[in-house]
Amino acid sequence: EAGVTQSPTHLIKTRGQQATLRCSPISGHTSVYWYQQALGLGLQFLLWYDEGEERNRGNFPPRFSGRQFPNYSSELNVNALELEDSALYLCASSLNRGLGTEAFFGQGTRLTVV
Amino acid sequence: AQTVTQSQPEMSVQEAETVTLSCTYDTSESDYYLFWYKQPPSRQMILVIRQEAYKQQNATENRFSVNFQKAAKSFSLKISDSQLGDAAMYFCAYRSAMLTGGGNKLTFGTGTQLKVEL
Repeated sequence: EAGVTQSPTHLIKTRGQQATLRCSPISGHTSVYWYQQALGLGLQFLLWYDEGEERNRGNFPPRFSGRQFPNYSSELNVNALELEDSALYLCASSLNRGLGTEAFFGQGTRLTVV
Repeated sequence: AQTVTQSQPEMSVQEAETVTLSCTYDTSESDYYLFWYKQPPSRQMILVIRQEAYKQQNATENRFSVNFQKAAKSFSLKISDSQLGDAAMYFCAYRSAMLTGGGNKLTFGTGTQLKVEL
């Protein structure tokens, strides 16, 4: 069974541009979570999607947005990129919004803003 | 809001020895879950062990065990018989047991880099 897959592995953008990151959850998982891991920091919760809807977001500005498609894959969009957006972005998926289910992580997208 | 603190940015252990990683957390909730995740250079977050707050018994998974002190809000990870493959960044994480908004959202500490020496 395939795990959580993220693309691209690496992404280099110029300040002010837009970045789009993609995540495919484990088959059967309906919840997708996005986290930002900046250098020297732990993972910060960004967004949670379940059944196609945004259920919760962390303390990030509105230029961080995303969506979940009918097949439960997800996109994270970052507009008007700033240098401090450079980080590893991790996606995780779980079966549903039930609390007994574990979240499984992808290998991340390394975003570099120059 | 919940917070998770890992006060050891780096730890070293000799191969085959035992090491303990520290974690404290702050919450006003009585029911929650605690986790230790491992992040090797491959960047993939791997679940090492989990603990339900309502369980008094400490969780164990092979060479990994925890010391869960609910009153002290402490959750340390003990790795026995350390192996070279244990070298990684270790994150402590908290998840609420309440089904209100957060879902499976995890709150992480800043991590402890574990080095294993020959």
